[in-house]
Amino acid sequence: NAGVTQTPKFQVLKTGQSMTLQCAQDMNHEYMSWYRQDPGMGLRLIHYSVGAGITDQGEVPNGYNVSRSTTEDFPLRLLSAAPSQTSVYFCASSQREGAFEQYFGPGTRLTVT
Amino acid sequence: AQSVSQHNHHVILSEAASLELGCNYSYGGTVNLFWYVQYPGQHLQLLLKYFSGDPLVKGIKGFEAEFIKSKFSFNLRKPSVQWSDTAEYFCAVNAWGFQKLVFGTGTRLLVSP
Repeated sequence: NAGVTQTPKFQVLKTGQSMTLQCAQDMNHEYMSWYRQDPGMGLRLIHYSVGAGITDQGEVPNGYNVSRSTTEDFPLRLLSAAPSQTSVYFCASSQREGAFEQYFGPGTRLTVT
Repeated sequence: AQSVSQHNHHVILSEAASLELGCNYSYGGTVNLFWYVQYPGQHLQLLLKYFSGDPLVKGIKGFEAEFIKSKFSFNLRKPSVQWSDTAEYFCAVNAWGFQKLVFGTGTRLLVSP
């Protein structure tokens, strides 16, 4: 099993550009989520999904869109990048029921200039 | 709303010193508790978890944590740290019935040889 994979590893965008961060998991997990990690702020939940076709907002959803057309994939779209979105983005997955132990991907480091 | 507090933001220890990192959460109901570790340049990995039963849980690499329900705490301990324990440590809480994992802001541990 590859676990949770994310692409790209690094990305530089100009303000106003759009892009999609890819996330995939091969563990048949129903639950997937996106976090951003900023210094001194820990991990903050952006969006999450409890299954294909079902998504919901987390703590900091503004400026981001998600969709979940398959169990395996959960892409995160930045509609119009802003410098405040410079961060490290982590995707995670877990079983929907039970202990809620999450498995994390390697992260995407995004810089918006 | 649930929240997690990690009071130590930076900790510096010498090798062989004992470690205790504090974690307190705010939620009156049943919780699942986690400690994750992030080594430099890597993604988050699960260190240990508490779901139910014995409040003293043991994790990988000699770490342990004790759940004290009356104090809403889940402190992480290790009797003797090593240089390789240099990392950032995150406490996280999942409240039963809520499909979210809430993270603390993290504690950066530096172990000097």
